Amino acid sequence: AQSVTQPDIHITVSEGASLELRCNYSYGATPYLFWYVQSPGQGLQLLLKYFSGDTLVQGIKGFEAEFKRSQSSFNLRKPSVHWSDAAEYFCAVGTGGFKTIFGAGTRLFVKA
Amino acid sequence: DTAVSQTPKYLVTQMGNDKSIKCEQNLGHDTMYWYKQDSKKFLKIMFSYNNKELIINETVPNRFSPKSPDKAHLNLHINSLELGDSAVYFCASSRGQGVPYEQYFGPGTRLTVT
Repeated sequence: AQSVTQPDIHITVSEGASLELRCNYSYGATPYLFWYVQSPGQGLQLLLKYFSGDTLVQGIKGFEAEFKRSQSSFNLRKPSVHWSDAAEYFCAVGTGGFKTIFGAGTRLFVKA
Repeated sequence: DTAVSQTPKYLVTQMGNDKSIKCEQNLGHDTMYWYKQDSKKFLKIMFSYNNKELIINETVPNRFSPKSPDKAHLNLHINSLELGDSAVYFCASSRGQGVPYEQYFGPGTRLTVT
């Protein structure tokens, strides 16, 4: 069955430190992969996506993610976290047709 | 201009009532979705329409009925509201067919059933 796992329910990092959010997926075919961010009280916003090609993709707000087929992973990274990055982050895999499956989310806390 | 808008933003109602949530997108997308996000932030697809045709209908009580009058609008009507319906409901849209393109989300409607 198709699924997305975000192993970390929440993560706390210091402002200015680097960040890596983990995502593993289970999908038989070539996946379409996404990271979305949800700030408190708001809808989800696309950070970046992977459809094909270069396995390192750049997104908005200085985020990047790397697709590793052998590990079924699509981890999100940022070299230096800002306080405004505190939010909920969702990894998602797009399956055939129109269905996208979302992970349970990772809540990022940023400490000063 | 807001790309995906929902009304109302907040909805507080009593058990047994019927309510509707409206969604509109001005992105020219062909596909629209309704999601339910529970208190643990888990996001679950409920319905999806492509060019006014229902294409995804997950295991949702039949008290929930979506309607798409045109491809820019997707409304959600809920009958006989129950306490367990309390959640945030998100509308989203995406382009195309056959490829799971990225989705654009509305701001959400927080439904509280008392």
